[in-house]
Amino acid sequence: EAGVAQSPRYKIIEKRQSVAFWCNPISGHATLYWYQQILGQGPKLLIQFQNNGVVDDSQLPKDRFSAERLKGVDSTLKIQPAKLEDSAVYLCASSFGPAGNTIYFGEGSWLTVV
Amino acid sequence: SQQGEEDPQALSIQEGENATMNCSYKTSINNLQWYRQNSGRGLVHLILIRSNEREKHSGRLRVTLDTSKKSSSLLITASRAADTASYFCATDDRPKAAGNKLTFGGGTRVLVKP
Repeated sequence: EAGVAQSPRYKIIEKRQSVAFWCNPISGHATLYWYQQILGQGPKLLIQFQNNGVVDDSQLPKDRFSAERLKGVDSTLKIQPAKLEDSAVYLCASSFGPAGNTIYFGEGSWLTVV
Repeated sequence: SQQGEEDPQALSIQEGENATMNCSYKTSINNLQWYRQNSGRGLVHLILIRSNEREKHSGRLRVTLDTSKKSSSLLITASRAADTASYFCATDDRPKAAGNKLTFGGGTRVLVKP
């Protein structure tokens, strides 16, 4: 079974530039998550989708971050404009259903803002 | 905000020894999950323990859950150099109807010396 796919793996941008990350969840997984992990910390949930609807985006900095999952499968996370403090790993994850299921993570997209 | 807090923050042991790390949380949970993260990699799911379970095993891993104390422990027996990684506990505390959401602690960094 293929895992959660993410791209790009690494990205370096200057502050105020924009960046987009792409995620393809495990086939059949209706729930998709984006987490932000700052070096030395645990992951923090940014946004959760159930199919193509948003379940939770309470910790998403909406002035600069946006995410979509138009067809209920792939998802993109965009940052515009980037700040230095956005340097982190952006982890995409998916699970089969909404409750009590194992959540599977991709390898992450590493962002450095200089 | 962090729900799970791991203890200790770092652990150094010799190969063959057992490693124990603890996780405390604050609110009622549906389940608790443990993940491993090797340096520069994504999170790998280890074990999910539900709120009505007290102990689970998987290979050399043993997880306990004490809901009265709001705590969990992860034991790695007969550790190997390959077990060197960061270990995170994550709690699912959202009401089931709203879908599961994992809140991660800061992790325990384990170094297994050969």
